[in-house]
Amino acid sequence: KNQVEQSPQSLIILEGKNCTLQCNYTVSPFSNLRWYKQDTGRGPVSLTIMTFSENTKSNGRYTATLDADTKQSSLHITASQLSDSASYICVVTRDSSYKLIFGSGTRLLVRP
Amino acid sequence: GAVVSQHPSWVICKSGTSVKIECRSLDFQATTMFWYRQFPKQSLMLMATSNEGSKATYEQGVEKDKFLINHASLTLSTLTVTSAHPEDSSFYICSARVRGGVNEQFFGPGTRLTEL
Repeated sequence: KNQVEQSPQSLIILEGKNCTLQCNYTVSPFSNLRWYKQDTGRGPVSLTIMTFSENTKSNGRYTATLDADTKQSSLHITASQLSDSASYICVVTRDSSYKLIFGSGTRLLVRP
Repeated sequence: GAVVSQHPSWVICKSGTSVKIECRSLDFQATTMFWYRQFPKQSLMLMATSNEGSKATYEQGVEKDKFLINHASLTLSTLTVTSAHPEDSSFYICSARVRGGVNEQFFGPGTRLTEL
């Protein structure tokens, strides 16, 4: 079954600290993996997209990694800011399919 | 990046009335748009795929007569929630697909529907 699982479900960190969010998937055949940030009451915004051959991709303070062999990805947030408080969603697509397979998300709260 | 807008951003409606939500791709043409709904603390659930000039494809369990989708142009898709009921209260999000490359989808800001 094609699934995407994320951990932790929720996370609270202090402003300025780093954190890492995890994503495991069983989607096959794999096409690409995306990380989205979704603020409360808003639509998701793309942070990174990685294909099979990419191991890491950065977008400012966000760095995503991908291990296609173990089917794992992580999203590392450096020097967190209050505005990083949001849900972070891992999404995987299958080859030759436009449908997105969503993880349940990690709710991050950054406290001052 | 590509921009997708939705209108309205929120709507309150009476039970039994219909509500139309617009989804527009502002700076690109989207032959395919998608409609999702999201309940609190849950992930997005695909409702239907909207293709320009043809009938929408609905996911299993989604009533096509209740959720009417029209994709009349390459930049506009509309979702009409007919005869709204309390269980229709949700967050509706559209996305538009950019052809080619990694098949990226850009999401709209969402529409909060509340049925009284």
